[in-house]
Amino acid sequence: DVKVTQSSRYLVKRTGEKVFLECVQDMDHENMFWYRQDPGLGLRLIYFSYDVKMKEKGDIPEGYSVSREKKERFSLILESASTNQTSMYLCASSLRQGFGGELFFGEGSRLTVL
Amino acid sequence: DAKTTQPNSMESNEEEPVHLPCNHSTISGTDYIHWYRQLPSQGPEYVIHGLTSNVNNRMASLAIAEDRKSSTLILHRATLRDAAVYYCILRDVGNQFYFGTGTSLTVIP
Repeated sequence: DVKVTQSSRYLVKRTGEKVFLECVQDMDHENMFWYRQDPGLGLRLIYFSYDVKMKEKGDIPEGYSVSREKKERFSLILESASTNQTSMYLCASSLRQGFGGELFFGEGSRLTVL
Repeated sequence: DAKTTQPNSMESNEEEPVHLPCNHSTISGTDYIHWYRQLPSQGPEYVIHGLTSNVNNRMASLAIAEDRKSSTLILHRATLRDAAVYYCILRDVGNQFYFGTGTSLTVIP
């Protein structure tokens, strides 16, 4: 069974802390994505990666960075967490097989920044 | 960037068909149309996708307008387990997926 695993379901951090959100997929997918989900705003793309060490900015990259050192792992980093980064974070992966491949999502990480 | 527009919410009676509409008037010729649904406290899950022709799978059917500027997800017999937020999204040549705000489907017993 295909799987995208996010390291933490719930995190509580303080303003200014550095936060790491980890995502691992076991499907040998080339593409990996980080989204945040907020009420009334739907899912918004933060960053995505189409290969190891490659990354592309999405719609809302400010305040975030990412790391992809291995194909199966994609990390989202909040260098200095702020209260407006309180949100649900969703990781996803897909094959880079033309344009039709589906997205597989993790269960999400709910981050609260105090 | 191509975007999608969906109604915020819809209701359906259990065991009746449901037609969930989506407008994507700025779609490009190479964009695939995907549908996902999200159950409470879970990540979205894939439902169906298509390019030009109508598509069927075990979960649903996808009807795509001839000009591709709109599509409809069809659930043939709604069950209580189908209550979820349904997202219509476009996948572009750059492998990006553009999500809208989705339609919250309520299924009435």
